[in-house]
Amino acid sequence: KAGVTQTPRYLIKTRGQQVTLSCSPISGHRSVSWYQQTPGQGLQFLFEYFSETQRNKGNFPGRFSGRQFSNSRSEMNVSTLELGDSALYLCASSLAEQGNTEAFFGQGTRLTVV
Amino acid sequence: QQQVKQSPQSLIVQKGGIPIINCAYENTAFDYFPWYQQFPGKGPALLIAIRPDVSEKKEGRFTISFNKSAKQFSLHIMDSQPGDSATYFCAASLINNDMRFGAGTRLTVKP
Repeated sequence: KAGVTQTPRYLIKTRGQQVTLSCSPISGHRSVSWYQQTPGQGLQFLFEYFSETQRNKGNFPGRFSGRQFSNSRSEMNVSTLELGDSALYLCASSLAEQGNTEAFFGQGTRLTVV
Repeated sequence: QQQVKQSPQSLIVQKGGIPIINCAYENTAFDYFPWYQQFPGKGPALLIAIRPDVSEKKEGRFTISFNKSAKQFSLHIMDSQPGDSATYFCAASLINNDMRFGAGTRLTVKP
């Protein structure tokens, strides 16, 4: 059974640009969550999608957005990139229809903003 | 804001030792407490998880102890091996996998 797949693995962007990251969840998983990992702030929750609907959102500015498609694949978009957006972006998938269940992470996309 | 406090920041043990990592939380709405292991360049991997109606859970060499009244939980790794050297994160989840992570513990197991 394939795990969570994130593409691309590495990305370099210039300040002010926008970027789109992709996440394919484990087959059968309908919940996808996104996290940002940095040395200073650690792992922080961005948002969670289930059945194409955003159910939860963390404390990030509106420049961070996402969506989920009917096949449960999800994309995350960051507009007007800032140097501080450099981070490892992780997505996690789970079966959860309600409540919390086991969440499995992908390897992440390493975004560098220059 | 750090909703889950994890300690120690780093830990060094000898092979066969039992490292213990501690976490504390404040929000009683948390209802799911997973532990993740992360190697450099990889995403976090789920190790073991517990719900607040259980005081202890064991899976292989990993054990979670949970103290609901103290709002604390800990990870014990029995018979630790050099391959266990990694960063460990505790987390506490609200609803729908909105997880709040501890700052992480870098574990080194010396041969």
